[in-house]
Amino acid sequence: IAGITQAPTSQILAAGRRMTLRCTQDMRHNAMYWYRQDLGLGLRLIHYSNTAGTTGKGEVPDGYSVSRANTDDFPLTLASAVPSQTSVYFCASSAIAGVGYNEQFFGPGTRLTVL
Amino acid sequence: GQNIDQPTEMTATEGAIVQINCTYQTSGFNGLFWYQQQAGEAPTFLSYNVLDGLEEKGRFSSFLSRSKGYSYLLLKELQMKDSASYLCAVREGDYKLSFGAGTTVTVRA
Repeated sequence: IAGITQAPTSQILAAGRRMTLRCTQDMRHNAMYWYRQDLGLGLRLIHYSNTAGTTGKGEVPDGYSVSRANTDDFPLTLASAVPSQTSVYFCASSAIAGVGYNEQFFGPGTRLTVL
Repeated sequence: GQNIDQPTEMTATEGAIVQINCTYQTSGFNGLFWYQQQAGEAPTFLSYNVLDGLEEKGRFSSFLSRSKGYSYLLLKELQMKDSASYLCAVREGDYKLSFGAGTTVTVRA
């Protein structure tokens, strides 16, 4: 059982380039999330999806877009990368959004550097 | 929105007890989580509190006081492998999980 996989593991990207971070889960979870983690700031929610076909904005959505065409995949796209988007990106999933003992499971992360 | 505060760093000796405090302000509390994050790895779930009181899971316990906006994570019988960052996270509404900046715990022999 893989849980959540993310690709790539790391990437160095020139500013202005388009980049898609991939996230796939095999737990049949309804809800999926994208976070960025920066030193001293903790994890911040970028976008989320409560179920396939729906998405919503989190705390820091500007410069990012997501789609949720099916249950398993939740890609994050940077349309035109900027250096401030240098960060570690974590994808997460949970069985159902917001109900009881329903923790989020995290993928291994993607380390992105924008030069 | 959320305002979640926890200490930046703590150091303790192997075999000892450490308590990590977390205070929060929220308009729609729907549970508090603690996660452990080893260096360079993903966060992993430790505990969940939604009602006031203490939840115990082996060497780890978590306490919640909703009226005070306060939680703590208690790590007992510390082991070297417990050296990690511990993240306090508050769920507001149905989906939004807001994280504190994390507390780095260093366990010394």
